[in-house]
Amino acid sequence: SQQGEEDPQALSIQEGENATMNCSYKTSINNLQWYRQNSGRGLVHLILIRSNEREKHSGRLRVTLDTSKKSSSLLITASRAADTASYFCATDDDTPLVFGKGTRLSVIA
Amino acid sequence: SQTIHQWPATLVQPVGSPLSLECTVEGTSNPNLYWYRQAAGRGLQLLFYSVGIGQISSEVPQNLSASRPQDRQFILSSKKLLLSDSGFYLCAWSTISVNTEAFFGQGTRLTVV
Repeated sequence: SQQGEEDPQALSIQEGENATMNCSYKTSINNLQWYRQNSGRGLVHLILIRSNEREKHSGRLRVTLDTSKKSSSLLITASRAADTASYFCATDDDTPLVFGKGTRLSVIA
Repeated sequence: SQTIHQWPATLVQPVGSPLSLECTVEGTSNPNLYWYRQAAGRGLQLLFYSVGIGQISSEVPQNLSASRPQDRQFILSSKKLLLSDSGFYLCAWSTISVNTEAFFGQGTRLTVV
């Protein structure tokens, strides 16, 4: 198993701005997933991108995957105060999902 | 629809006391089950995962153990808690196939005093 690593560790933006978080990993993957965690709660799945996909959209979320660079990015457009949370990427290379340490996003109203 | 239940939500236990956290899944069969721990302000550490009844894989050596007595029940235990066992414990499940999402319980906040 391997661990994705998110960057930056923390991000603070104004409401309405876009937020970009990055994830890097080390070996080949089947898919990469992004999750969100509100403080003191469980994780909620946001989006899954397969290794043969390069970009995926879901509402205000846009995920890209570059397997040659072993990296992914999560873009949240037109951020809202309610987007304040920690965001994690997770990789699955035929072993259990392993999560990175997350990016703590603060959206200031 | 599938649901996951994890309890208790919070727990304060003295050092040296036993621990039992329970997680059950409804609405699916033969799920993969996971226990994660999250220290304050930190990422998720995979503790145990199970692909079937009685099949437990441990990722981190420690004084915790896990059991899966039934298909949709996953239990995290300790005979004697340490201060370092404090944290936020999360149970999760996923289907057995690759390329699927994981569903998380609401977590248990354990404080060992």
